Amino acid sequence: EDKVVQSPLSLVVHEGDTVTLNCSYEVTNFRSLLWYKQEKKAPTFLFMLTSSGIEKKSGRLSSILDKKELFSILNITATQTGDSAVYLCAVGGIQGAQKLVFGQGTRLTINP
Amino acid sequence: EPEVTQTPSHQVTQMGQEVILRCVPISNHLYFYWYRQILGQKVEFLVSFYNNEISEKSEIFDDQFSVERPDGSNFTLKIRSTKLEDSAMYFCASSDPDRPPNGAQHFGDGTRLSIL
Repeated sequence: EDKVVQSPLSLVVHEGDTVTLNCSYEVTNFRSLLWYKQEKKAPTFLFMLTSSGIEKKSGRLSSILDKKELFSILNITATQTGDSAVYLCAVGGIQGAQKLVFGQGTRLTINP
Repeated sequence: EPEVTQTPSHQVTQMGQEVILRCVPISNHLYFYWYRQILGQKVEFLVSFYNNEISEKSEIFDDQFSVERPDGSNFTLKIRSTKLEDSAMYFCASSDPDRPPNGAQHFGDGTRLSIL
């Protein structure tokens, strides 16, 4: 059975701290790993990773994939209160209409 | 930025009733999906749809569920006879592997379905 596990489940830090969120997976037919930010409603797309060792970066957020060890990390530097959200990791399978298998999410709280 | 829109935002229905959840995917996207998230649990895949037919469905997507693309813009999920355990947030998503970022699914705000 395909499985995606995120850690920690919950994290509380102070504004300005750097955080690292983890995602490990065991799936058949791996094609891509995606990170989403879920605040109140829709998961909002952050990154899509398909190749090992290539960092994706967007502002203070960055992510990298290790296909040998089957995990990914999401880093957020200089955190702000607006970064408070649930961060979801999902893994996609075969090409085309690929179903996503989600982890349980990491709830990140940034205190001022 | 184009987005996936879903209606209604909240649906309250009596057990045993039929419900239709509506979605307008991003224009020119070719792949459509439904997911659900029971309160406090993971987001779960229900079904994917491409070229007017189901590509894949999960065990959750039994005979009580159906999907349809009735016209060029809408994508619907129908639950024929709702059960208490169908109460959840239902998300619609769409993607197009030929558009960057390749294949990333974009989600709507969801419909919160409450079965009484």
